[in-house]
Amino acid sequence: AQSVSQHNHHVILSEAASLELGCNYSYGGTVNLFWYVQYPGQHLQLLLKYFSGDPLVKGIKGFEAEFIKSKFSFNLRKPSVQWSDTAEYFCAVNPPWANNLFFGTGTRLTVIP
Amino acid sequence: DVKVTQSSRYLVKRTGEKVFLECVQDMDHENMFWYRQDPGLGLRLIYFSYDVKMKEKGDIPEGYSVSREKKERFSLILESASTNQTSMYLCASSIARQEGAFFGQGTRLTVV
Repeated sequence: AQSVSQHNHHVILSEAASLELGCNYSYGGTVNLFWYVQYPGQHLQLLLKYFSGDPLVKGIKGFEAEFIKSKFSFNLRKPSVQWSDTAEYFCAVNPPWANNLFFGTGTRLTVIP
Repeated sequence: DVKVTQSSRYLVKRTGEKVFLECVQDMDHENMFWYRQDPGLGLRLIYFSYDVKMKEKGDIPEGYSVSREKKERFSLILESASTNQTSMYLCASSIARQEGAFFGQGTRLTVV
């Protein structure tokens, strides 16, 4: 079945460590790609998006993601995490035939001060 | 900023009750969505609407229906609530595929 996979369910890092969260998808064609973040008790917020152009996209709060078409991947990175980055992160894909987003199961990030 | 407002943050309902979850967006978006969020399962699409009175089933429509009588409002209806519908329900709206979706704060529904 077509899907969005986030292999890391829970990641624990110390402050200042580097972060990389994996996202792979299985939809063909031209897809739109997104990372969302959900801070504790808050609504889902868009971190960054990719739909064309430079495959390295920069988002809010120092996050970036790289689209690698050959690997069907859109991994999220941040060079140095902060305690305030503790949240759940969701990768989402919009396939060419759909108006809606398909989400991964999420990765919970805990940053230890 | 786009604002998507869900009428309740928390709801407790009894098994068999008819439940209405309301969502309003203020940006004249064509598309509106209802997702449910469960731990370990991510977000799953229940229904979406691409225009007034138009609706499409998502991945898990069973036990739910929707109503969109006005462009800004999209309602999710649980015809007869069951305990397995205890979940977080998220409403979203979007203007274009490549822009993604904007989410409301969610309604945590508990069915007892």
